[in-house]
Amino acid sequence: DAKTTQPPSMDCAEGRAANLPCNHSTISGNEYVYWYRQIHSQGPQYIIHGLKNNETNEMASLIITEDRKSSTLILPHATLRDTAVYYCIVRALNYGGSQGNLIFGKGTKLSVKP
Amino acid sequence: AAGVIQSPRHLIKEKRETATLKCYPIPRHDTVYWYQQGPGQDPQFLISFYEKMQSDKGSIPDRFSAQQFSDYHSELNMSSLELGDSALYFCASSPRSRADTQYFGPGTRLTVL
Repeated sequence: DAKTTQPPSMDCAEGRAANLPCNHSTISGNEYVYWYRQIHSQGPQYIIHGLKNNETNEMASLIITEDRKSSTLILPHATLRDTAVYYCIVRALNYGGSQGNLIFGKGTKLSVKP
Repeated sequence: AAGVIQSPRHLIKEKRETATLKCYPIPRHDTVYWYQQGPGQDPQFLISFYEKMQSDKGSIPDRFSAQQFSDYHSELNMSSLELGDSALYFCASSPRSRADTQYFGPGTRLTVL
């Protein structure tokens, strides 16, 4: 799986958009970008994933650059409950094969402040 | 919606004792994963099971073993506990076809004294 680089920490004001960057310059053609988050001492939570097109769901938006070497997770209106460590993971989509485990890097600790 | 259930939520053991952690996956999820998260660390993959067979193995110590049962629940057995085994242990589940989107349980906090 390709290596990712994320800033160790970020702050965001409550109600504002939080933009979390991730660099994955060695991503290969069949690898997707996934985002998970972990609120303090809770189990990680899947947020969103994408291949090359921008994606949006009820939690967030994912913007992937045209060369796919970087991406940004956007929380449009951050709340205090979004304070968490956000992990960017690059991996192939798994359909019945092995290597199903997730590899968590260092992640970005997002602090949403009132 | 039903979530992954883990028991117990908290466990305190002495060094050299044994511990058993249990995981009940989301209904119709046939794959279970175990992760360990030490203090201040990121989650690390231990082992996974599909249809009662081990499918992947990560950095699981030889003192640990795990299995998946016919009802898909899984148990992580830990023997000769060491202080360094103190951690959060997460179980996650997914359908076999979508290992990329795993659903995590609340975790078991193991403290070894």
